[in-house]
Amino acid sequence: AQKVTQAQTEISVVEKEDVTLDCVYETRDTTYYLFWYKQPPSGELVFLIRRNSFDEQNEISGRYSWNFQKSTSSFNFTITASQVVDSAVYFCALLQGAQKLVFGQGTRLTINP
Amino acid sequence: DVKVTQSSRYLVKRTGEKVFLECVQDMDHENMFWYRQDPGLGLRLIYFSYDVKMKEKGDIPEGYSVSREKKERFSLILESASTNQTSMYLCASSLLRVGGETQYFGPGTRLLVL
Repeated sequence: AQKVTQAQTEISVVEKEDVTLDCVYETRDTTYYLFWYKQPPSGELVFLIRRNSFDEQNEISGRYSWNFQKSTSSFNFTITASQVVDSAVYFCALLQGAQKLVFGQGTRLTINP
Repeated sequence: DVKVTQSSRYLVKRTGEKVFLECVQDMDHENMFWYRQDPGLGLRLIYFSYDVKMKEKGDIPEGYSVSREKKERFSLILESASTNQTSMYLCASSLLRVGGETQYFGPGTRLLVL
């Protein structure tokens, strides 16, 4: 069975600190896709990144970076120099088959001024 | 930009009422999805559709039905609402390809069943 685990339920840091959100996944597929979404208080899920299983390069987008390691089945997300606007719930997800997304339970991130 | 809209942000209904949640996307996506989100449980798939008039059950279809008469519109129906269906409902859409397509989400509907 496919599964995504986000062990950190809540994280609270002070603004400008770096913070890493962990994501561990389980799958028997050799081809799969991983995603991160952000859910601000307004409720909409905002797509952040998609990564396929054949591309293990780390990715950086501004203050955001992602570390994909197949050896440990992890796809961790780091925010550098966090800001209050980064406060949200973050979801990691695994695409099962062609259409079905399996979500982790989410990590609530609070950035305090 | 992909745009997924949902007919209501907030709804309050009474037990036993028939409830319709509407979702519209403007990117000509083949796939459309309905999820519910509950604290501690993450997002769970209720139903999805890969084409007009086609539907597939997700993980928790009991108590729900869906309708897709047009490609851009996907409706979630609660035939007889119950209090345990109080939740946040999120619609999403994506292209239909071999795999790996990103799902784009609407703003969500917070439903309260009294």
